[in-house]
Amino acid sequence: QQQVKQSPQSLIVQKGGISIINCAYENTAFDYFPWYQQFPGKGPALLIAIRPDVSEKKEGRFTISFNKSAKQFSLHIMDSQPGDSATYFCAAINTGGFKTIFGAGTRLFVKA
Amino acid sequence: DVKVTQSSRYLVKRTGEKVFLECVQDMDHENMFWYRQDPGLGLRLIYFSYDVKMKEKGDIPEGYSVSREKKERFSLILESASTNQTSMYLCASSLSGGGEKLFFGSGTQLSVL
Repeated sequence: QQQVKQSPQSLIVQKGGISIINCAYENTAFDYFPWYQQFPGKGPALLIAIRPDVSEKKEGRFTISFNKSAKQFSLHIMDSQPGDSATYFCAAINTGGFKTIFGAGTRLFVKA
Repeated sequence: DVKVTQSSRYLVKRTGEKVFLECVQDMDHENMFWYRQDPGLGLRLIYFSYDVKMKEKGDIPEGYSVSREKKERFSLILESASTNQTSMYLCASSLSGGGEKLFFGSGTQLSVL
C-alpha cells in the first residue's frame, strides 16, 4: 500500500527556533510533494510544495529539503513563531493523478 | 480566493440513519474530493469526482456514496451510519489536471451515536 510516513507526531519549539518535520515515501512514481498547514477549526491549506527535480525550495521562513535517493523530504520552519502553531501534513501525489497520500500529521506548538 | 463551503460544522446522528454531507465550491473547479481525517491517520480519500456525474472510489469508499449533479456541488452520503464513521469530514476541490493544490473546506465533525 502506498504510504507516506511522517515524524514526529508532535513537536514543541521555542520561539525563534527551527522546527523540523520529516517524511518518507515508498512509491517512486510520486512526483509532487506538498505540505499542508491546518489551524484548529479550519481545513488544511497548501503551504509549500516541491518536485523531485530540485533538492530544496524556500518560501519565506519555510523550506522543503528533498532527498530523492533516500525517498525522504522535510519541512524546516526557521525563526518559528507562536502563529506557526498548527498541524502540518506532508503529502505525495503523481502529477495528473487524483489520489494525494497524506502523512499522519505533526502537531507543532511554538512556545512564546 | 477559492471558497469551499461545507454545510454543517457539527453533526450528530444515530446509528442506521442516512446522512448527507454537502459541499459547494465557488471557483468553477473541475475536481472535487471527500476526505476523512482521523487522529494518527492523517487524511484518507473516500471518493473524488473529476466531472459532473463522474465519480471514482478513493482509498476507503466502503460505507459511503457520493453525488455530483452540478459542477459546484459534491455530496457525501452515508447510507446507514455506523459508529466507526464518527470522524472529521473534509471536502476539497482542485483545478483541472488532478489532485495537486487542493483547496479544503473547514470540515464537518460527524458523531454517530
